[in-house]
Amino acid sequence: DGGITQSPKYLFRKEGQNVTLSCEQNLNHDAMYWYRQDPGQGLRLIYYSQIVNDFQKGDIAEGYSVSREKKESFPLTVTSAQKNPTAFYLCASSTPPGLGNTGELFFGEGSRLTVL
Amino acid sequence: AQKITQTQPGMFVQEKEAVTLDCTYDTSDPSYGLFWYKQPSSGEMIFLIYQGSYDQQNATEGRYSLNFQKARKSANLVISASQLGDSAMYFCARLTSGTYKYIFGTGTRLKVLA
Repeated sequence: DGGITQSPKYLFRKEGQNVTLSCEQNLNHDAMYWYRQDPGQGLRLIYYSQIVNDFQKGDIAEGYSVSREKKESFPLTVTSAQKNPTAFYLCASSTPPGLGNTGELFFGEGSRLTVL
Repeated sequence: AQKITQTQPGMFVQEKEAVTLDCTYDTSDPSYGLFWYKQPSSGEMIFLIYQGSYDQQNATEGRYSLNFQKARKSANLVISASQLGDSAMYFCARLTSGTYKYIFGTGTRLKVLA
């Protein structure tokens, strides 16, 4: 089945450690995104990538890094510089709107990161 | 800042009744898309319905319909014949045409009562 796979689903980290969240898609979408969700809040954009080997910062990129070496993969690293990393992280992909496409986001099941 | 406002943090509806979830947005862009997503307790975001800013008719998808009032900049989601499985968080989002930046509201938690 086509879709987006995020792993791990749950992750615990000690303070000072970097962690990497995996996101893989087989939808052949050009664009991929990482969002952060905190309780009672909407989704906030961390990074997005429109094409392989290119990515842009979103609204809350500080303390995070990404890479886009393959079309299918867009891993997110939460670095020790991120002051409050405990959150739910959602990866998504999309095709540009137009030619019958609405441009809706397709989401993975999310990764819940807890810093101990 | 161009933002999405969902004024109802929580809503209750009786099973089989209809419910309207409010969404207003702030934009000066002439072309944009509006989306509604459902987030069950499992966490995954599920796309429900889309409305383009130039669409003349309100969008419908099964039990979901979108009450789009462009002049008022509102895009309310109507769920008809509510089911227990509709209990979830619902998010409204906007995408400006030609960009890749989606803006999300803070969501409305809907609880369907048996």
